[in-house]
Amino acid sequence: KNQVEQSPQSLIILEGKNCTLQCNYTVSPFSNLRWYKQDTGRGPVSLTIMTFSENTKSNGRYTATLDADTKQSSLHITASQLSDSASYICVVSPKEANYGGSQGNLIFGKGTKLSVKP
Amino acid sequence: DAGVIQSPRHEVTEMGQEVTLRCKPISGHNSLFWYRQTMMRGLELLIYFNNNVPIDDSGMPEDRFSAKMPNASFSTLKIQPSEPRDSAVYFCASSLWGVYNEQFFGPGTRLTVL
Repeated sequence: KNQVEQSPQSLIILEGKNCTLQCNYTVSPFSNLRWYKQDTGRGPVSLTIMTFSENTKSNGRYTATLDADTKQSSLHITASQLSDSASYICVVSPKEANYGGSQGNLIFGKGTKLSVKP
Repeated sequence: DAGVIQSPRHEVTEMGQEVTLRCKPISGHNSLFWYRQTMMRGLELLIYFNNNVPIDDSGMPEDRFSAKMPNASFSTLKIQPSEPRDSAVYFCASSLWGVYNEQFFGPGTRLTVL
């Protein structure tokens, strides 16, 4: 069964510190993996998207890595800021054999809730 | 661009009532998605449309749920009759084309069924 597991479930860090969020998946084969940031009370916003052939992708202080062999991805946040407090969701797209249908469904992790304290 | 617009932002209703959620996608986007988010299950894709045509509704939980997209700029998600377990945040998202392009999410509708 296709699954995406994220850890930790929640994390508290001090402002200015770095942190790493984990995403393990069983989706195979897959097309791409994305990280979304979701502020409280808002919809998710895309941070990075990587295909299976990419190892790393950066977006400012956010750097995502992907190891397709071990089926693991991580999101590293450097020099955290109070505005980084949010939920971070890992999403994996199965490689569709046919256009449309359930094979086109995205597989969502439940997210990691990050709190950055002053 | 105003982004994806959803209404209402909050809806409180009683069990058994009909609920209609509305969505206006980003102009020029050909794909529209309806999601449900709960603490227990996270984000779940309910249904998505390409060029106003429903492509995959396998995520729709029951016959009580229905979605329509009468034109490229408007979609509705209807629950009839509503039940307390339908309480969740419902998001609409749109993309240029298909599931794999970046999706832009609306602010969501928080539904509470008493």
